Amino acid sequence: TQLLEQSPQFLSIQEGENLTVYCNSSSVFSSLQWYRQEPGEGPVLLVTVVTGGEVKKLKRLTFQFGDARKDSSLHITAAQPGDTGLYLCAGPISNFGNEKLTFGTGTRLTIIP
Amino acid sequence: NAGVTQTPKFQVLKTGQSMTLQCAQDMNHEYMSWYRQDPGMGLRLIHYSVGAGITDQGEVPNGYNVSRSTTEDFPLRLLSAAPSQTSVYFCASRLTDTQYFGPGTRLTVL
Repeated sequence: TQLLEQSPQFLSIQEGENLTVYCNSSSVFSSLQWYRQEPGEGPVLLVTVVTGGEVKKLKRLTFQFGDARKDSSLHITAAQPGDTGLYLCAGPISNFGNEKLTFGTGTRLTIIP
Repeated sequence: NAGVTQTPKFQVLKTGQSMTLQCAQDMNHEYMSWYRQDPGMGLRLIHYSVGAGITDQGEVPNGYNVSRSTTEDFPLRLLSAAPSQTSVYFCASRLTDTQYFGPGTRLTVL
C-alpha cells in the first residue's frame, strides 16, 4: 500500500498550457519533497515544503503543502518541453524520524512542442 | 565533486548469480541509502546507513545485503539473484533534507 498517491499517473499537454499534479495521503507528513527525474538519470530535488499551507515558487513551478499536511500540489505555468519528466513526491515516515523516505508512484509529464 | 557515482551502469545476471553494486560519494555525507525503482511502484527503500558501521533495513530488504565500512562507500550485494530483482537501482546520499541520487544501475536477472 502506497502512503503517497500521485495523480494523474500520466499527463501529456501542449507547450504553453498550465497544469497541476497532486500528491495525496491519508497520513500526516512533517514535510514533503518534490523531485524531477529525467530518463536515464536519478531524481533531482526541486523543493521541500515543511509548513501546512506553505507555498513555494521555483520560476514557473508553484508548490503547495496542504493545511493538514496530508497533501501537496505542483502547478506549472506555461509548460515548456524542458519540463518533461517524471515528478515524484516523497515524505519521511514519521515513526523513523527523517531516516526513511517514502516515495509516491510519480506523474509522468510530457510537454508537446 | 563527482557527487554520487554508481557502477556498473548496466548488468545482466543469471538466476542464482551474485554481484555487488558499487556506490560512492565524495561529499562526506553520513546518510546513504539504496532504492529500487520499478514501473508503477515509485522508488522503494532497500537499506540505508546513518554512518560508517551502521546500517538498517528499508521497505524491501529481502535478498539484499549492505555494509558501510567507510563514509564514502555503500555497496549493495545480491547473494543469489532472482528475476524479481530485475529493476533500476539508485544510490543516494543526504545532507540534512537534501538527497542526492546517483545515475542508477539497470539490472536484469534472467
